[in-house]
This record gives sequence, C-alpha cells and structure tokens, in this order.
Amino acid sequence: KQEVTQIPAALSVPEGENLVLNCSFTDSAIYNLQWFRQDPGKGLTSLLLIQSSQREQTSGRLNASLDKSSGRSTLYIAASQPGDSATYLCAGDETSGSRLTFGEGTQLTVNP
Amino acid sequence: EPEVTQTPSHQVTQMGQEVILRCVPISNHLYFYWYRQILGQKVEFLVSFYNNEISEKSEIFDDQFSVERPDGSNFTLKIRSTKLEDSAMYFCASSVYVNSPLHFGNGTRLTVT
Repeated sequence: KQEVTQIPAALSVPEGENLVLNCSFTDSAIYNLQWFRQDPGKGLTSLLLIQSSQREQTSGRLNASLDKSSGRSTLYIAASQPGDSATYLCAGDETSGSRLTFGEGTQLTVNP
Repeated sequence: EPEVTQTPSHQVTQMGQEVILRCVPISNHLYFYWYRQILGQKVEFLVSFYNNEISEKSEIFDDQFSVERPDGSNFTLKIRSTKLEDSAMYFCASSVYVNSPLHFGNGTRLTVT
C-alpha cells in the first residue's frame, strides 16, 4: 500500500527566502504526481502536475521535480511571499487516473 | 475561472440519518471524484466516477455510500445512515481527462452528532 510522507510538517521563513518542500513515497511506482495548495477552510488548488513521462514542471516561482527511482518529489518556491502561506500537499497515483494518495502536508508560513 | 461548487458548506446531522452532499463539477469535465479529510488527518480517496458509473472506490466507500449524477450538471454523494466517524470535510473534484489536474471544490463540512 502506497504511503506518502512530507517533510517538514511545518516551516516558517522570512519573506524573500527560497525554500524546498519534500515528498517521499514508499512505493516508487508512481504514475502522475501533483502538488496542491490548501488554504484554511478552502479546497485544494492544483499547482503543478508531473505526468508519467515527465521529470519536472514549472509555473512562475514554483518548480516541482519527481525522481521515481528514489520515490521522491520536491517543490521549490523561489522568492517566497506572505501570500504563499498555506498548506502544501503532494499526491500521487499508481496508474493513469487511479486514486490519489496524499501526504499529510507541509504548513508554510512566510513572514513579512 | 470555472469552479467546482459544493453545497451546503456545512451540514450537521444526527447519527443514523441520511445525508446528500451536492456538487456541480466544471461543465466540460468528464471525470468526477469524492475525497474526504477527517480533522487533522490526510485527504483520503472515496470514489471516482466516469461515464455514469463508478471507476474505482476505496475501502471506505462501503454500502452506506452511493454516488449519482442525476442530470448533466450535479454529482451527489449520499450517506445512508451516518455514523460519528463520518464527520469530516468532504471534497468533490473533477478533471477534464484522466491525466489532467484535479479541480477541487471548497468542501462540505459534515458533522454527525
């Protein structure tokens, strides 16, 4: 059974800092990998989707990479801003379109 | 930007009662999902739905749960006889294709007393 772990559980940084969030899988048989953002009391917003044939995706200040051989993914946030404060979740599926297995999330606080 | 809409935002019900959680997915999306998040725990998959039938369901999705797409726009989750442990935030999601990003609604907080 796939288990997803996210490290650290919480992170507090000053504005402007570059940071890395980590996600690891017990079973490296990940097909697609998504990173989401969750704001308090809100749903999940998809940030980046790394499809099975890809190794990384970029959107603005965000870059996500996936190393299937090691079962790890990282989300890099450049020049962090207070508006980036949220919980970041990673989730993977094992076959095309199958259930997503989520990590517990990293709660990020960016201080002005 | 189109959104997934869920109603109600908060539902309180007594144990043993039936509840129906409602969702309006994004109009051109073909794949529909329900996930839930018990307070302080991970987001968990419940069920996926495509072409008017269940594609996949989790161990949580037992006979007390059912899903329906009664018309061209709504997607519902029914819990027939609620239990205390069903208290959670229930999220509906949809995607255009099977390998495209999931779009989530803001959730329905279900409280079973």
